[in-house]
Amino acid sequence: AQTVTQSQPEMSVQEAETVTLSCTYDTSESDYYLFWYKQPPSRQMILVIRQEAYKQQNATENRFSVNFQKAAKSFSLKISDSQLGDAAMYFCAYRSRWGQSNFGNEKLTFGTGTRLTIIP
Amino acid sequence: DSGVTQTPKHLITATGQRVTLRCSPRSGDLSVYWYQQSLDQGLQFLIQYYNGEERAKGNILERFSAQQFPDLHSELNLSSLELGDSALYFCASSVGHWDEQYFGPGTRLTVT
Repeated sequence: AQTVTQSQPEMSVQEAETVTLSCTYDTSESDYYLFWYKQPPSRQMILVIRQEAYKQQNATENRFSVNFQKAAKSFSLKISDSQLGDAAMYFCAYRSRWGQSNFGNEKLTFGTGTRLTIIP
Repeated sequence: DSGVTQTPKHLITATGQRVTLRCSPRSGDLSVYWYQQSLDQGLQFLIQYYNGEERAKGNILERFSAQQFPDLHSELNLSSLELGDSALYFCASSVGHWDEQYFGPGTRLTVT
């Protein structure tokens, strides 16, 4: 079974600064997806960024980028130029990739989350 | 707006009662997933349906059951409710098995 660990329950950053949220995972699979989801006070789960394990290039989405270290099983999220609207819980998630051996294993496995506070 | 709808938004009920949570997936999505977010268990997968049939089960209690109807909406039934069942219940949908999952706004269940 796969596990996802977020060791930082809370983080804070000054507005306009850069912050990095950490995530490690454990899996015996060689191909998979990793995600960062944002959950603002509205509770909606919003996909921030996605990384496919077979791609060496780190994913980026505007101010959000990841540092994917496959050998270390590490997947951190960097938020640049932090804005007040970035304040939320951030969840790291794992999902298997398609394969005959993965039938019925399309679920997301989440970490425990990191609460990010933006200081004005 | 993800296109996934969930009703009701909030539900308050007493221990021992039974409730039904409803989810309407995005138009064209055949897969529906249910997740539970609680303070002690975090976000965990409960069950998945695909085109009306159960496809995968996670940490779903025997007191809980779900189904997906011919119009593809899904219901999660929670019975003999306990205080520990208080949580946010999310529904997510995707086109097929391995496609992006889109989350609904969740149903907040409070058991008193």
